[in-house]
Amino acid sequence: AQSVTQLDSQVPVFEEAPVELRCNYSSSVSVYLFWYVQYPNQGLQLLLKYLSGSTLVKGINGFEAEFNKSQTSFHLRKPSVHISDTAEYFCAVSSQGGSEKLVFGKGTKLTVNP
Amino acid sequence: GAGVSQSPSNKVTEKGKDVELRCDPISGHTALYWYRQSLGQGLEFLIYFQGNSAPDKSGLPSDRFSAERTGGSVSTLTIQRTQQEDSAVYLCASSQDRANEQFFGPGTRLTVL
Repeated sequence: AQSVTQLDSQVPVFEEAPVELRCNYSSSVSVYLFWYVQYPNQGLQLLLKYLSGSTLVKGINGFEAEFNKSQTSFHLRKPSVHISDTAEYFCAVSSQGGSEKLVFGKGTKLTVNP
Repeated sequence: GAGVSQSPSNKVTEKGKDVELRCDPISGHTALYWYRQSLGQGLEFLIYFQGNSAPDKSGLPSDRFSAERTGGSVSTLTIQRTQQEDSAVYLCASSQDRANEQFFGPGTRLTVL
Protein backbone atom coordinates (compact mmCIF):
# COMPACT_ATOMS: atom_id res chain seq x y z
CA ALA A 1 0.00 0.00 0.00
CA GLN A 2 1.06 3.57 -0.59
CA SER A 3 0.65 6.71 1.46
CA VAL A 4 1.39 10.37 0.83
CA THR A 5 2.20 13.05 3.38
CA GLN A 6 1.98 16.71 2.53
CA LEU A 7 3.71 18.35 5.42
CA ASP A 8 2.06 21.76 5.20
CA SER A 9 -1.70 22.16 5.09
CA GLN A 10 -1.45 25.90 4.37
CA VAL A 11 1.34 27.99 2.85
CA PRO A 12 0.95 31.78 2.67
CA VAL A 13 3.49 33.67 0.54
CA PHE A 14 3.86 37.07 -1.02
CA GLU A 15 3.66 37.62 -4.75
CA GLU A 16 6.98 37.08 -6.61
CA ALA A 17 8.43 35.09 -3.71
CA PRO A 18 9.68 31.52 -4.23
CA VAL A 19 7.65 28.64 -2.85
CA GLU A 20 8.21 24.98 -2.05
CA LEU A 21 5.36 22.59 -1.28
CA ARG A 22 6.59 19.44 0.38
CA CYS A 23 5.51 15.89 -0.37
CA ASN A 24 6.79 12.62 1.02
CA TYR A 25 5.51 9.20 0.10
CA SER A 26 5.70 5.65 1.35
CA SER A 27 5.50 2.58 -0.86
CA SER A 28 6.82 -0.97 -0.99
CA VAL A 29 6.84 -0.92 -4.81
CA SER A 30 8.01 1.47 -7.50
CA VAL A 31 5.68 4.39 -8.03
CA TYR A 32 4.69 7.11 -10.40
CA LEU A 33 4.39 10.58 -8.84
CA PHE A 34 2.05 13.45 -9.66
CA TRP A 35 1.14 16.96 -8.61
CA TYR A 36 -2.39 18.18 -9.28
CA VAL A 37 -3.78 21.68 -8.74
CA GLN A 38 -7.36 22.59 -7.85
CA TYR A 39 -8.35 26.22 -8.35
CA PRO A 40 -11.33 27.49 -6.35
CA ASN A 41 -14.56 25.83 -7.48
CA GLN A 42 -12.82 23.94 -10.26
CA GLY A 43 -11.73 20.37 -10.94
CA LEU A 44 -8.29 18.83 -10.63
CA GLN A 45 -5.68 19.67 -13.24
CA LEU A 46 -2.35 17.92 -13.71
CA LEU A 47 0.66 20.14 -13.04
CA LEU A 48 3.40 17.61 -13.66
CA LYS A 49 4.28 13.94 -13.35
CA TYR A 50 7.29 11.71 -12.83
CA LEU A 51 7.18 8.32 -14.55
CA SER A 52 10.87 7.58 -15.13
CA GLY A 53 14.08 9.18 -16.36
CA SER A 54 15.26 12.60 -15.25
CA THR A 55 14.43 13.25 -11.63
CA LEU A 56 13.76 16.95 -12.28
CA VAL A 57 10.37 17.36 -13.84
CA LYS A 58 9.03 20.58 -15.31
CA GLY A 59 5.34 21.24 -15.51
CA ILE A 60 2.86 23.91 -16.48
CA ASN A 61 2.77 27.46 -15.14
CA GLY A 62 6.48 27.48 -14.26
CA PHE A 63 6.29 24.73 -11.63
CA GLU A 64 8.87 22.00 -11.26
CA ALA A 65 9.43 19.07 -8.92
CA GLU A 66 12.34 16.82 -8.06
CA PHE A 67 12.03 13.12 -7.34
CA ASN A 68 14.36 12.01 -4.56
CA LYS A 69 14.20 8.27 -4.18
CA SER A 70 16.45 8.05 -1.13
CA GLN A 71 14.35 10.58 0.75
CA THR A 72 11.08 9.36 -0.82
CA SER A 73 10.19 12.95 -1.61
CA PHE A 74 8.68 14.83 -4.54
CA HIS A 75 8.68 18.50 -3.54
CA LEU A 76 7.05 21.09 -5.79
CA ARG A 77 8.77 24.43 -6.41
CA LYS A 78 8.23 27.68 -8.22
CA PRO A 79 10.84 30.46 -8.20
CA SER A 80 8.33 33.33 -8.34
CA VAL A 81 4.62 32.96 -7.62
CA HIS A 82 1.69 35.00 -8.90
CA ILE A 83 -1.63 35.84 -7.34
CA SER A 84 -3.20 33.44 -9.83
CA ASP A 85 -1.27 30.52 -8.29
CA THR A 86 -3.58 30.67 -5.28
CA ALA A 87 -5.11 27.19 -5.19
CA GLU A 88 -4.95 23.84 -3.45
CA TYR A 89 -2.15 21.52 -4.53
CA PHE A 90 -2.30 17.74 -4.22
CA CYS A 91 0.59 15.30 -4.40
CA ALA A 92 -0.33 11.78 -5.52
CA VAL A 93 1.30 8.43 -6.16
CA SER A 94 0.30 5.32 -8.06
CA SER A 95 1.98 1.95 -8.13
CA GLN A 96 3.74 0.80 -11.26
CA GLY A 97 2.17 -2.35 -12.62
CA GLY A 98 -1.00 -2.01 -10.60
CA SER A 99 -4.28 -0.32 -11.39
CA GLU A 100 -2.58 3.03 -11.28
CA LYS A 101 -5.25 4.34 -8.92
CA LEU A 102 -4.02 7.55 -7.36
CA VAL A 103 -3.34 7.84 -3.65
CA PHE A 104 -3.51 11.51 -2.71
CA GLY A 105 -2.05 13.58 0.06
CA LYS A 106 -4.33 15.80 2.14
CA GLY A 107 -3.45 18.85 0.02
CA THR A 108 -1.65 22.13 0.60
CA LYS A 109 -3.53 25.37 0.27
CA LEU A 110 -1.25 27.96 -1.29
CA THR A 111 -2.31 31.56 -0.78
CA VAL A 112 -0.39 34.23 -2.66
CA ASN A 113 -0.78 37.69 -1.17
CA PRO A 114 -0.05 41.02 -2.90
CA GLY B 1 -12.05 17.88 -27.63
CA ALA B 2 -14.58 17.42 -24.86
CA GLY B 3 -13.33 16.61 -21.42
CA VAL B 4 -14.75 14.34 -18.77
CA SER B 5 -18.32 15.32 -17.95
CA GLN B 6 -20.33 14.47 -14.87
CA SER B 7 -23.97 14.86 -14.02
CA PRO B 8 -25.65 16.19 -12.05
CA SER B 9 -23.29 18.91 -10.87
CA ASN B 10 -25.16 19.12 -7.57
CA LYS B 11 -27.44 16.62 -5.87
CA VAL B 12 -29.32 17.14 -2.63
CA THR B 13 -31.07 14.09 -1.23
CA GLU B 14 -32.65 12.88 1.96
CA LYS B 15 -31.07 10.30 4.18
CA GLY B 16 -32.10 6.81 3.11
CA LYS B 17 -32.70 7.62 -0.54
CA ASP B 18 -30.73 6.10 -3.42
CA VAL B 19 -28.73 8.29 -5.80
CA GLU B 20 -27.08 7.74 -9.18
CA LEU B 21 -24.13 9.77 -10.39
CA ARG B 22 -23.07 9.70 -14.03
CA CYS B 23 -19.69 10.04 -15.69
CA ASP B 24 -18.93 10.42 -19.40
CA PRO B 25 -15.22 9.84 -19.97
CA ILE B 26 -13.14 11.25 -22.78
CA SER B 27 -13.84 9.30 -25.96
CA GLY B 28 -11.31 6.53 -26.48
CA HIS B 29 -10.11 6.43 -22.89
CA THR B 30 -10.07 2.86 -21.68
CA ALA B 31 -9.50 3.51 -17.98
CA LEU B 32 -12.10 5.14 -15.73
CA TYR B 33 -11.78 6.00 -12.03
CA TRP B 34 -14.13 7.25 -9.34
CA TYR B 35 -12.81 9.24 -6.38
CA ARG B 36 -14.46 11.00 -3.46
CA GLN B 37 -13.37 14.33 -2.01
CA SER B 38 -14.57 15.22 1.46
CA LEU B 39 -13.39 17.63 4.13
CA GLY B 40 -12.54 14.96 6.63
CA GLN B 41 -10.99 12.33 4.37
CA GLY B 42 -9.44 14.28 1.50
CA LEU B 43 -9.36 12.58 -1.90
CA GLU B 44 -10.08 8.85 -1.78
CA PHE B 45 -10.07 6.25 -4.53
CA LEU B 46 -13.35 4.36 -4.90
CA ILE B 47 -13.31 2.13 -7.98
CA TYR B 48 -11.38 1.59 -11.24
CA PHE B 49 -12.47 0.17 -14.60
CA GLN B 50 -10.01 -0.89 -17.30
CA GLY B 51 -11.40 -2.19 -20.57
CA ASN B 52 -13.17 -5.51 -20.14
CA SER B 53 -11.24 -6.48 -17.01
CA ALA B 54 -12.94 -6.98 -13.68
CA PRO B 55 -13.11 -3.62 -11.86
CA ASP B 56 -10.91 -2.84 -8.87
CA LYS B 57 -13.52 -2.17 -6.17
CA SER B 58 -11.07 -2.03 -3.30
CA GLY B 59 -11.89 1.59 -2.41
CA LEU B 60 -15.66 1.28 -2.05
CA PRO B 61 -16.44 2.16 1.60
CA SER B 62 -19.43 -0.13 2.00
CA ASP B 63 -21.76 -2.45 0.09
CA ARG B 64 -24.16 0.48 -0.32
CA PHE B 65 -21.81 1.72 -3.04
CA SER B 66 -21.68 0.15 -6.49
CA ALA B 67 -20.68 1.21 -9.97
CA GLU B 68 -20.96 -0.06 -13.48
CA ARG B 69 -19.53 0.90 -16.82
CA THR B 70 -21.65 0.14 -19.85
CA GLY B 71 -20.14 -0.49 -23.25
CA GLY B 72 -16.72 0.54 -22.04
CA SER B 73 -17.78 4.17 -21.89
CA VAL B 74 -20.34 5.80 -19.57
CA SER B 75 -20.18 4.91 -15.90
CA THR B 76 -22.77 5.20 -13.14
CA LEU B 77 -21.95 5.28 -9.44
CA THR B 78 -24.90 4.26 -7.28
CA ILE B 79 -25.21 4.91 -3.56
CA GLN B 80 -28.07 3.11 -1.85
CA ARG B 81 -29.69 4.20 1.40
CA THR B 82 -27.58 7.36 1.56
CA GLN B 83 -26.16 8.50 4.89
CA GLN B 84 -25.02 11.95 5.95
CA GLU B 85 -21.40 10.80 5.88
CA ASP B 86 -21.80 10.16 2.14
CA SER B 87 -21.90 13.94 1.57
CA ALA B 88 -18.89 14.78 -0.56
CA VAL B 89 -17.78 15.71 -4.06
CA TYR B 90 -17.62 12.63 -6.26
CA LEU B 91 -14.98 12.92 -8.98
CA CYS B 92 -14.62 10.85 -12.11
CA ALA B 93 -11.40 10.58 -14.11
CA SER B 94 -10.38 8.82 -17.28
CA SER B 95 -7.08 8.01 -18.92
CA GLN B 96 -5.98 6.67 -22.25
CA ASP B 97 -4.07 3.81 -20.72
CA ARG B 98 -2.46 2.79 -17.49
CA ALA B 99 0.34 5.10 -16.33
CA ASN B 100 -1.09 7.97 -18.33
CA GLU B 101 -2.44 11.24 -17.04
CA GLN B 102 -5.85 10.99 -15.45
CA PHE B 103 -8.21 13.71 -16.65
CA PHE B 104 -10.74 14.71 -14.03
CA GLY B 105 -14.31 15.83 -14.43
CA PRO B 106 -15.79 18.79 -12.51
CA GLY B 107 -17.40 16.50 -9.95
CA THR B 108 -20.85 15.98 -8.47
CA ARG B 109 -21.44 17.62 -5.12
CA LEU B 110 -23.68 15.31 -3.09
CA THR B 111 -25.43 16.62 0.00
CA VAL B 112 -27.36 14.19 2.17
CA LEU B 113 -29.77 15.91 4.55
